[in-house]
Amino acid sequence: EAQVTQNPRYLITVTGKKLTVTCSQNMNHEYMSWYRQDPGLGLRQIYYSMNVEVTDKGDVPEGYKVSRKEKRNFPLILESPSPNQTSLYFCASSTHPLGEWPQHFGDGTRLSIL
Amino acid sequence: EDKVVQSPLSLVVHEGDTVTLNCSYEVTNFRSLLWYKQEKKAPTFLFMLTSSGIEKKSGRLSSILDKKELFSILNITATQTGDSAIYLCAVPLYNFNKFYFGSGTKLNVKP
Repeated sequence: EAQVTQNPRYLITVTGKKLTVTCSQNMNHEYMSWYRQDPGLGLRQIYYSMNVEVTDKGDVPEGYKVSRKEKRNFPLILESPSPNQTSLYFCASSTHPLGEWPQHFGDGTRLSIL
Repeated sequence: EDKVVQSPLSLVVHEGDTVTLNCSYEVTNFRSLLWYKQEKKAPTFLFMLTSSGIEKKSGRLSSILDKKELFSILNITATQTGDSAIYLCAVPLYNFNKFYFGSGTKLNVKP
């Protein structure tokens, strides 16, 4: 089954404790992206990746890092999480630049930073 | 500044009603607009619109784009409780790398 898998689905942690949210897709998609969703603000793009070793900032990259060492994986790293990073996070993937443009989203990761 | 604005932010209707959701945009070198439905989890794709005036239709849902006035509407006829969700509108930048999403319209369909 074609899917985007995020882990963990839920996490409560404390300020400053490094964490990684993993994202993996099995569709051989080139393009992957991370979003955060906050009430009233919709989805805001954090980082995206056009292909292996090619990443770039979205609209709200501060406080986040990403890497794309393999095509299927695109982890989101919070080196020193802060309470303002409490949010619902989505990973997404799609073929690029032509073809099936609509992004496939993972089920989301709800992070709470205390 | 590139932006996507949806209205209304929330809407409560009764089963059988028809609703119209709005998405306006100001995005450099516009090429397409996408609608997604988000229930409890991940957004799922509904429509992709690239040409002005051509309606996309899927069952009771339809959408149309007006590139001159820079907006799109999503219509849902004969609403059902299963239509309750957040409806998101997204516009990619011209190079399809960055995406701008609206804040969404939360639709609640009551029995």
